[in-house]
Amino acid sequence: AQTVTQSQPEMSVQEAETVTLSCTYDTSESNYYLFWYKQPPSRQMILVIRQEAYKQQNATENRFSVNFQKAAKSFSLKISDSQLGDTAMYFCAFMVYSGAGSYQLTFGKGTKLSVIP
Amino acid sequence: AAGVIQSPRHLIKEKRETATLKCYPIPRHDTVYWYQQGPGQDPQFLISFYEKMQSDKGSIPDRFSAQQFSDYHSELNMSSLELGDSALYFCASSLGRQANTEAFFGQGTRLTVV
Repeated sequence: AQTVTQSQPEMSVQEAETVTLSCTYDTSESNYYLFWYKQPPSRQMILVIRQEAYKQQNATENRFSVNFQKAAKSFSLKISDSQLGDTAMYFCAFMVYSGAGSYQLTFGKGTKLSVIP
Repeated sequence: AAGVIQSPRHLIKEKRETATLKCYPIPRHDTVYWYQQGPGQDPQFLISFYEKMQSDKGSIPDRFSAQQFSDYHSELNMSSLELGDSALYFCASSLGRQANTEAFFGQGTRLTVV
């Protein structure tokens, strides 16, 4: 079974500063996908960034980047130049092929990020 | 671009009633996932379907059932509703066979049981 652990229930950051959200996971699979989803107060689930496990290069999307350490099973999210609109719950998620064309998606408990003006 | 459509967006039911939630995946997506998210909780996996067959089962109560139809839309049927079933129910879809797959989420159905 796959598990995803987010050890920071809540974090805060000053506007324009940088913050890093941590995520660790446990799996015996060698090929999988990792995601960070953002859930603002509207509770919509929005994909922030994704990383394929077979790619060594860390993914980046504008102000969002990840530090993927496969051996350590760590997948942290760095948000640069934080903006008020970044205030949200952030969920780390793990996706693995479960056979017959199907994938299994598992979420961490989430980190509540508050950007302070 | 087309997204995952869920209906209804909001639903209020009384205890012991029945509810049906619908999910229309992104066109050509063959995999549908259902999640339940209680207040302040992380999404809990309920069930998934691939090519109209159940592919995975999570913490779905026996009172709930689901299926995926020939047009790939899915319905989650919930009977004998309890107060604890009040939650946000997400549907997500993906393309099962695609290597760089990812799950796209609908906006959710907010179910309130009174």
